[in-house]
Amino acid sequence: DAKTTQPPSMDCAEGRAANLPCNHSTISGNEYVYWYRQIHSQGPQYIIHGLKNNETNEMASLIITEDRKSSTLILPHATLRDTAVYYCIVRTNAGGTSYGKLTFGQGTILTVHP
Amino acid sequence: GAGVSQSPSNKVTEKGKDVELRCDPISGHTALYWYRQSLGQGLEFLIYFQGNSAPDKSGLPSDRFSAERTGGSVSTLTIQRTQQEDSAVYLCASSWDRVTYEQYFGPGTRLTVT
Repeated sequence: DAKTTQPPSMDCAEGRAANLPCNHSTISGNEYVYWYRQIHSQGPQYIIHGLKNNETNEMASLIITEDRKSSTLILPHATLRDTAVYYCIVRTNAGGTSYGKLTFGQGTILTVHP
Repeated sequence: GAGVSQSPSNKVTEKGKDVELRCDPISGHTALYWYRQSLGQGLEFLIYFQGNSAPDKSGLPSDRFSAERTGGSVSTLTIQRTQQEDSAVYLCASSWDRVTYEQYFGPGTRLTVT
């Protein structure tokens, strides 16, 4: 699976949009971009994923550049409860010997402040 | 519905003792993963189960670590002759199948080896 690069930390004011970037310049054609987050003392939580089109769900939006070498996770109205470590993960959904395991990097620590 | 559960939530053991960590996946989920999260090490994959078989054990750090899954449901991770470097949070995740985008994580078991 392709490696990802994320900033170690970011701050965001409550109520504002949080835009978390991720670089995955070596992504291959069959690899998806996934975002998980981990709130302190909890297990990781799935947020969203996409292949090449932008995606939106009740939690967030995912914007993937046309060349697919980078993406941005957008939390439209951040709250204090969104303070967490956010992980950008690239993985294939095509089966194979990766068996779907997730390879976590260091992630971005997002701090939402009042 | 019920999520992934893990027990115990906390375990303190003496160096050299054996420990067993339990994971109850979401009912019907065929894929089950164990991960470990150590201070400063991030989340790392340990082992993957599809049904009762484990086609990927590549993340197990040594032969002191083993895992089994019975009835396509409950899984037990066993660590023999525990060492201080085994101290970590052990996380279990399950999903419908290995290529499903969403893995559901349990709250983890915090293991402390003294």
